[in-house]
Amino acid sequence: DIVMTQSPDSLAVSLGERATINCKSSQSVLYSSNNKNYLAWYQQKPGQPPKLLIYWASTRESGVPDRFSGSGSGTDFTLTISSLQAEDVAVYYCQQYYSTPSFGPGTKVDIK
Amino acid sequence: EVQLVESGGGLVQPGGSLRLSCAASGFTFSSYSMNWVRQAPGKGLEWVSYISSSSSTIYYADSVKGRFTISRDNAKNSLYLQMNSLRDEDTAVYYCARDRGGGSYDDSTWYFDLWGRGTLVTVSS
Repeated sequence: DIVMTQSPDSLAVSLGERATINCKSSQSVLYSSNNKNYLAWYQQKPGQPPKLLIYWASTRESGVPDRFSGSGSGTDFTLTISSLQAEDVAVYYCQQYYSTPSFGPGTKVDIK
Repeated sequence: EVQLVESGGGLVQPGGSLRLSCAASGFTFSSYSMNWVRQAPGKGLEWVSYISSSSSTIYYADSVKGRFTISRDNAKNSLYLQMNSLRDEDTAVYYCARDRGGGSYDDSTWYFDLWGRGTLVTVSS
């Protein structure tokens, strides 16, 4: 099974500043035959279900603001919020789908 | 409106059973693979089970294999999860989640683009 880890556990960022969340998989989630990274990012606000933000490591879901971006390859990935807004306060999860789906433990983002 | 609505959660004693339902609307349910994902109180997300559009392919997490059964009724636009031999550690909010890809196993993407609001299952004596 692929184990996902995230860092930091939580972070507080000033409004308008950049927030960076890291995700690491225990083995590569890059599928060589199609050169795609099987990695997604979700946002979960309190009392709500998760919402898909990013898939294939860097493809933004329709309707997701362009301040959200994903990067990385192989085993190391990053979700960046370029200019934090109040509505971005949430827990963010990475998920690999290279094999049986597994999620990271989550990173809580707050306003400083 | 495109949505998934779960129901059937509640309080059950260890060793008991419960059947969850997920009603889909606003999209062609029979064209999508579906999943159950759970979240223990204050914890992260755990994938539980997958079913292809025709029910021909089914997978379970090791933690529920042999105890839980996923099924669907495309005529009723509904997904189900029969949970038997429930344990304390099964306490969680259970979400149904739609696979982004096509309905067959080969077309499944295994990431989830539509989620219900969840139903809480509490296993306690």
